[in-house]
Amino acid sequence: DTGVSQNPRHKITKRGQNVTFRCDPISEHNRLYWYRQTLGQGPEFLTYFQNEAQLEKSRLLSDRFSAERPKGSFSTLEIQRTEQGDSAMYLCASSPKLRLGYEQYFGPGTRLTVT
Amino acid sequence: GQQVMQIPQYQHVQEGEDFTTYCNSSTTLSNIQWYKQRPGGHPVFLIQLVKSGEVKKQKRLTFQFGEAKKNSSLHITATQTTDVGTYFCAGGKSNTGKLIFGQGTTLQVKP
Repeated sequence: DTGVSQNPRHKITKRGQNVTFRCDPISEHNRLYWYRQTLGQGPEFLTYFQNEAQLEKSRLLSDRFSAERPKGSFSTLEIQRTEQGDSAMYLCASSPKLRLGYEQYFGPGTRLTVT
Repeated sequence: GQQVMQIPQYQHVQEGEDFTTYCNSSTTLSNIQWYKQRPGGHPVFLIQLVKSGEVKKQKRLTFQFGEAKKNSSLHITATQTTDVGTYFCAGGKSNTGKLIFGQGTTLQVKP
């Protein structure tokens, strides 16, 4: 399978704990995006990378969220001191190089439940 | 900030009927993309529109991009049960790759 993969698929954590998610994009894609999706809503943009550079981060994202893509390949999203409001599906997507409009290919997501 | 609105939120149709969802952006877009998400699944790219007034077809699906590049529509002719899912439009700004998604239209098809 050469699609976008995400791990873990499900994460249950207690409020106040830190969690980290991993995304492996399609290998030749240089752009990587993180989104958050809650029930009945469309994906909400969090941040994106071009290679290893983080080019934009949503203003809605608190300082508890941080993302990295250290070698321009896989990426991690960390949430510190989780809150119940962080419960959501976290989606990763990647897009190919130099294509107008950058159509995005999504992974299966990591479902986070904060108790 | 930029907002993308979709209507209707839900649509129930009888198999064989047509379906249309509409998308409106608060700002001019460089492109608009459409995605489909099946229940329990992740968004899957359908198509991208770039040019003002552009119309593209994929079998029974017709996509339009408005002249002002602020609105778009997806029309499905003669729906089938396989069309069930949530259809999202997503507006893009040039050179950023960032997409702003609408809240989606969920289509239910009764056989």
